[in-house]
Amino acid sequence: DAGVTQSPTHLIKTRGQQVTLRCSPKSGHDTVSWYQQALGQGPQFIFQYYEEEERQRGNFPDRFSGHQFPNYSSELNVNALLLGDSALYLCASSLEGGTAYNEQFFGPGTRLTVL
Amino acid sequence: GQQVMQIPQYQHVQEGEDFTTYCNSSTTLSNIQWYKQRPGGHPVFLIQLVKSGEVKKQKRLTFQFGEAKKNSSLHITATQTTDVGTYFCAGSRGQNFVFGPGTRLSVLP
Repeated sequence: DAGVTQSPTHLIKTRGQQVTLRCSPKSGHDTVSWYQQALGQGPQFIFQYYEEEERQRGNFPDRFSGHQFPNYSSELNVNALLLGDSALYLCASSLEGGTAYNEQFFGPGTRLTVL
Repeated sequence: GQQVMQIPQYQHVQEGEDFTTYCNSSTTLSNIQWYKQRPGGHPVFLIQLVKSGEVKKQKRLTFQFGEAKKNSSLHITATQTTDVGTYFCAGSRGQNFVFGPGTRLSVLP
């Protein structure tokens, strides 16, 4: 039973470019959440997808957008990259559409470096 | 907005010593979760606390949720080198889910 997978593992972009990160949830999970983790800090909630819709959003600008597919996999898109977007981007999956009372399983993350 | 704080930021202990990290929220929480992240790794779920005053144990780890549901603690008895990592609490209020900044634990053999 595969856990949460993310691709790519590492990515280097330049300012102003756009990036797409991908996540496949743990088998049987229907909810995907995305987090940004800067070096030495805790994960910051970006948004959550359930039933192909964005259910909740953290304090991130509209440059951050996402999508969930019918097979529950998800993409995170970031437009007009800034140096400050450099971070580890984590995907977490859970059951039944909610993080509030459900264990989250994290993927290994995508390390994004913006030059 | 909701804020979750953790102290200490760093803790260095000798193997065999005890360790405690504290988590405090600016608002009452619906529940709290604890995660461990090894260096270079991703957060791994440890436990969830829901009830006021709840205490749960996992081998050498003891988790507590405060009576007012605004604070929590994680205590490790007789630390081992395998306990090295950053321990995060994460609190929810409705669907708003916020991680603390973490406590980084170093264990000297």
